[in-house]
Amino acid sequence: GNSVTQMEGPVTLSEEAFLTINCTYTATGYPSLFWYVQYPGEGLQLLLKATKADDKGSNKGFEATYRKETTSFHLEKGSVQVSDSAVYFCALMTGTASKLTFGTGTRLQVTL
Amino acid sequence: GAVVSQHPSRVICKSGTSVKIECRSLDFQATTMFWYRQFPKQSLMLMATSNEGSKATYEQGVEKDKFLINHASLTLSTLTVTSAHPEDSSFYICSARDRAGVPGNTIYFGEGSWLTVV
Repeated sequence: GNSVTQMEGPVTLSEEAFLTINCTYTATGYPSLFWYVQYPGEGLQLLLKATKADDKGSNKGFEATYRKETTSFHLEKGSVQVSDSAVYFCALMTGTASKLTFGTGTRLQVTL
Repeated sequence: GAVVSQHPSRVICKSGTSVKIECRSLDFQATTMFWYRQFPKQSLMLMATSNEGSKATYEQGVEKDKFLINHASLTLSTLTVTSAHPEDSSFYICSARDRAGVPGNTIYFGEGSWLTVV
């Protein structure tokens, strides 16, 4: 079956620090990969996605590259801001049913 | 952007009672909605897929008689936790697929509902 493993949090960083949140997956077939973000009190929002190997998703300064050889989709940002504090979920989807398989989520706390 | 509204955001109910959680797509039509559950420090687990006008499809291990799902219109799905017990306490979150879009691009999530059964 499908599964997603992401690093446990919380991750605490100072503003302008470099961020990496690791995500690896196991899937049948060729999944699409996603990062979702949940800000306090809000629903999940799609942050970025990649649909095939070597694709790079990017949005709001965040990037993640679909690495088929390492079954990974690590999230990175060169310089985090306090406003990036949120919970980040890595997820995958296979087929056309739109069912998402999520990782456990990683809480990011950015301080001044 | 598209909005999915979930209500209530927090609910406390007594053991043995039933509680209903609503999921509404506010500015788009959703033929398919999904209900997830999240335990502390665990993944969001898909409970069921709700299709407008038909019966929900439940994931393995989810009791369909306990978690009643109704998707009576293109903008509303409800999850009713029947005869709730403390172990049903959890974070429930819905998502809705914009029927005009393609998979992955157009799935929007609600804010989630915290259920506490006492």
